[in-house]
Amino acid sequence: KAGVTQTPRYLIKTRGQQVTLSCSPISGHRSVSWYQQTPGQGLQFLFEYFSETQRNKGNFPGRFSGRQFSNSRSEMNVSTLELGDSALYLCASRRGPTGELFFGEGSRLTVL
Amino acid sequence: QKEVEQDPGPLSVPEGAIVSLNCTYSNSAFQYFMWYRQYSRKGPELLMYTYSSGNKEDGRFTAQVDKSSKYISLFIRDSQPSDSATYLCAMRPTSNTGKLIFGQGTTLQVKP
Repeated sequence: KAGVTQTPRYLIKTRGQQVTLSCSPISGHRSVSWYQQTPGQGLQFLFEYFSETQRNKGNFPGRFSGRQFSNSRSEMNVSTLELGDSALYLCASRRGPTGELFFGEGSRLTVL
Repeated sequence: QKEVEQDPGPLSVPEGAIVSLNCTYSNSAFQYFMWYRQYSRKGPELLMYTYSSGNKEDGRFTAQVDKSSKYISLFIRDSQPSDSATYLCAMRPTSNTGKLIFGQGTTLQVKP
């Protein structure tokens, strides 16, 4: 059974650009959550989607946004990139509105 | 003050040792507790998932939750070099959310 798939795995952007990251959940999973991981702040929750609806949002500026499609795949977008946005962005999925979260390998974003 | 505190280590032990990893938390509403293992440049992998207080054992791993003390532990018996990784505790108040609150992670090195 395939795990959570995130693309791209690595990317480099410059300040002011925007970026879109993609997440394909485990087959049959309908809930997707996004996290940002940095050495200083650790893992921080960005947002959660279930059945194409955002259910919860973390304490991040409006430059961070996401969406979920009818096939449960999700994307997150960061606009007007800042140096501090350099991080590992992790996607996690679960079957329904409850249960354990299973993480993907992450997308490592470097902002120059 | 962070909601979840975890000693970042690093923790270095000889192969075969018993390892004890701990987290304390301040929010008494937390009821679901998890331990994740994260290898370098990989996503977090779920090791243990427990509800409320008590112990849970899975092979060489034992998770303990003491809600009265707001303290959780993960024990690793007969530690192996392959256990060398960062261990993250995580928790949430209900199962109906994808928002986990993580500790900073403890880096463990098991020396052959």
